[in-house]
Amino acid sequence: SAVISQKPSRDICQRGTSLTIQCQVDSQVTMMFWYRQQPGQSLTLIATANQGSEATYESGFVIDKFPISRPNLTFSTLTVSNMSPEDSSIYLCSVEGGTSDTDTQYFGPGTRLTVL
Amino acid sequence: GESVGLHLPTLSVQEGDNSIINCAYSNSASDYFIWYKQESGKGPQFIIDIRSNMDKRQGQRVTVLLNKTVKHLSLQIAATQPGDSAVYFCAESKEGSRLTFGEGTQLTVNP
Repeated sequence: SAVISQKPSRDICQRGTSLTIQCQVDSQVTMMFWYRQQPGQSLTLIATANQGSEATYESGFVIDKFPISRPNLTFSTLTVSNMSPEDSSIYLCSVEGGTSDTDTQYFGPGTRLTVL
Repeated sequence: GESVGLHLPTLSVQEGDNSIINCAYSNSASDYFIWYKQESGKGPQFIIDIRSNMDKRQGQRVTVLLNKTVKHLSLQIAATQPGDSAVYFCAESKEGSRLTFGEGTQLTVNP
């Protein structure tokens, strides 16, 4: 499986500011995903990011709030814009597996965001 | 130990016992299922998966059972160890579409 890293691992931010989270993969992957995990809850998909095209957002998530970049096949960023305390969550990126297990998703370690 | 009910959020077992974590999935058309383990402060870790053309799959100390008739998935952990303490999530997908995650079960292993 791919090795995935995220930066920062955690941050404490003031409301109204924005934070950009980076996701780096050690191999080229077609699809990358961004999830939110609110405290004590399950994972909710924010958007799917394919290289060379606009990200596809899930219901309840919009590009103005969560802009995503996907400049190449190993890297993506998620920005949490104009943050409020309700944005305090763990943000996770994931990638699909290799040719033999394309449905399997592997996750990064997550970015723990606290908004004051 | 054995979980009670389909949506028990916590499960506590003694070290060495077998654990059974259950999951009810929602989409009868789902054809792929995964179990993840999430330890505190970490991202979800892939444990085992199963496709809808199977009803059982075994890994190292873990077994996944799929009952499509009642849309039920279970994860069995043999000889549970303290290192197995974590939150366990099931996830489902249909024809390679996005994964949908269950609510999760907190497994606590008592020494």
